[in-house]
Amino acid sequence: KQEVTQIPAALSVPEGENLVLNCSFTDSAIYNLQWFRQDPGKGLTSLLLIQSSQREQTSGRLNASLDKSSGRSTLYIAASQPGDSATYLCAGPHGDYKLSFGAGTTVTVRA
Amino acid sequence: NAGVMQNPRHLVRRRGQEARLRCSPMKGHSHVYWYRQLPEEGLKFMVYLQKENIIDESGMPKERFSAEFPKEGPSILRIQQVVRGDSAAYFCASSPPRARRTEAFFGQGTRLTVV
Repeated sequence: KQEVTQIPAALSVPEGENLVLNCSFTDSAIYNLQWFRQDPGKGLTSLLLIQSSQREQTSGRLNASLDKSSGRSTLYIAASQPGDSATYLCAGPHGDYKLSFGAGTTVTVRA
Repeated sequence: NAGVMQNPRHLVRRRGQEARLRCSPMKGHSHVYWYRQLPEEGLKFMVYLQKENIIDESGMPKERFSAEFPKEGPSILRIQQVVRGDSAAYFCASSPPRARRTEAFFGQGTRLTVV
C-alpha cells in the first residue's frame, strides 16, 4: 500500500523567499509522482509530473525532484510570491490507477 | 477541449436527502475516477469506472453510496440518506484509454454540505 506523507502541514514565508516542500512515500516501486496545487474551495491544478526515470522536472519557478531510494520528493518554488499561497499536494500511484495523496502543505506567502 | 466538468460545484442537502454528483470526463476519455476529500485530509480513492462498468469500488462506503458511468451521459456519484459525515469535496478525474491511468485530469470538485 502506498502511503504519502507531507511535512510540514503549514508554512508561512515572506515574499521572495524560496519554498521547500517535502513529500515522502512508502512504496519505492513508484513509477511517477505528481505535485498539485489546490486553492481554497477550488479544484486541483497539476503542477509537475515526474517519471521514475527522471530525477527532476522543472516548470518556470517550480522544480520537483524524485529520489526513489529514499522515498522522497521535494518541490522547490523559487522567489515566492503572494500568488503562490495555496495548498500543495503530492500524489503517488497505488497500483495501476489509484493515486495516494498526502494531506498537503498549506503555504502562505506574506507580502 | 474542455476539462473535466463537475456539477454542481456546491450542493447543500439536509440529513436524509439524496445527493447526486455529476462528472463529464474530457472528450475521448473513457476512464473515470472519484475521490473524496474530507476536511483537513488528503484525497481518498473511491471508485474507478469505465463505460457501463465498475472496475474497482474498493474505496466506496458499503452502504448508501453508488456510482455509475452509463454509455451515454455523465458519470454519477449518488449518496442516499446523507449524513453530516458525508460533507466533503468530491473530485472526479478522467483519463484516455491508452494513457497511464494515474496521469488523470481532475475536475473542480463538488462541495457537499449536509445540514
